[in-house]
Amino acid sequence: EAGVTQFPSHSVIEKGQTVTLRCDPISGHDNLYWYRRVMGKEIKFLLHFVKESKQDESGMPNNRFLAERTGGTYSTLKVQPAELEDSGVYFCASSQNSGANVLTFGAGSRLTVL
Amino acid sequence: GDSVTQMEGPVTLSEEAFLTINCTYTATGYPSLFWYVQYPGEGLQLLLKATKADDKGSNKGFEATYRKETTSFHLEKGSVQVSDSAVYFCALSSAGNNRKLIWGLGTSLAVNP
Repeated sequence: EAGVTQFPSHSVIEKGQTVTLRCDPISGHDNLYWYRRVMGKEIKFLLHFVKESKQDESGMPNNRFLAERTGGTYSTLKVQPAELEDSGVYFCASSQNSGANVLTFGAGSRLTVL
Repeated sequence: GDSVTQMEGPVTLSEEAFLTINCTYTATGYPSLFWYVQYPGEGLQLLLKATKADDKGSNKGFEATYRKETTSFHLEKGSVQVSDSAVYFCALSSAGNNRKLIWGLGTSLAVNP
């Protein structure tokens, strides 16, 4: 089966611009998660979708971040306007059910804000 | 709140050396514990896990034992290979629910031939 796919693999933008990251989970996985790793810091949870619904968005840093999962398939994470501190690697993961204790991760999208 | 403390890297070893990467945690209740690995250019992959005290997770020659008394989950391998070069992350999830994995900083391992 295809794994979790993230696009783009690397994005370089200027402060104030907008970037949209996309995640395609494994087909049939209702649960989709976004995590972020800022350089030198721990990977941090951002949010969790169950199908198209946001189950938990407590990790979203601020209202410049907008995550969507229309139709319960792929998800997008938009940062608008981007700030320097948003630079990092954004990981997406999926699982078949929220009780499962194994997540399948994508390779990550590296965001560099100049 | 819950947290994971992981030994800092980078760690550089020669092939066939013994590896230990320390991981300790703070959590309420009985978390599940994980080691994930990220090889260069790839995504995070689950290496091994343990869901209750005294469980030993193992995979690809790596082992880690869930020690409740010392709140530790140290990663070990008896003989590392160049192909083990990667970043290793210790993580926990509370009450068996992985909605919010709590992560350590990650430890970079470089194995030289």
